[in-house]
Amino acid sequence: AQTVTQSQPEMSVQEAETVTLSCTYDTSENNYYLFWYKQPPSRQMILVIRQEAYKQQNATENRFSVNFQKAAKSFSLKISDSQLGDTAMYFCAFMKHVFAGGTSYGKLTFGQGTILTVHP
Amino acid sequence: DAGITQSPRHKVTETGTPVTLRCHQTENHRYMYWYRQDPGHGLRLIHYSYGVKDTDKGEVSDGYSVSRSKTEDFLLTLESATSSQTSVYFCAIREDREAFFGQGTRLTVV
Repeated sequence: AQTVTQSQPEMSVQEAETVTLSCTYDTSENNYYLFWYKQPPSRQMILVIRQEAYKQQNATENRFSVNFQKAAKSFSLKISDSQLGDTAMYFCAFMKHVFAGGTSYGKLTFGQGTILTVHP
Repeated sequence: DAGITQSPRHKVTETGTPVTLRCHQTENHRYMYWYRQDPGHGLRLIHYSYGVKDTDKGEVSDGYSVSRSKTEDFLLTLESATSSQTSVYFCAIREDREAFFGQGTRLTVV
């Protein structure tokens, strides 16, 4: 079974600064996907960024980037130029590789979440 | 939002009563999931479906059952609600390598 651990229950950052959220995971799989989801007070789950384990290049999406260390099973999220709208709960999540006829069925395993507060 | 609608959005019910939550999708997705969200636990998988009438248990399935009689609807039933089932429930679908979530249902069992 896979496990995902987010060791920072809460983080805070000043507007326009950079913050890094940590995530570690444990798996015996070689092919998988990793995700960061954002959950603002509206409760909506919003995909921030996705990383495919077979890709060595770290994923980036505008101000969001990841540091993916496969051997260390680490997947941190860096938010640059933080904005007030980034205030939210952030979840790290793992999905086994999905392939036709397989049995992983695309189930997600989530970490406990990190509450990020951006201060003006 | 991938056309996912959960109902109801909020519900308060008494211990011992049956409760059914509905997830409706409009885009013919094969895979559907029910998760619950609790502080300190993130989201945990309750049940999932990989086709009409094809369902299986997740990691926290005790006390829950599901049904999927047609592609667009995935129902989650609490046969006899308990206070430990007070939670926020999310339905999700999978499209390729990405999951999309409904708006969530806040269920309170008193």
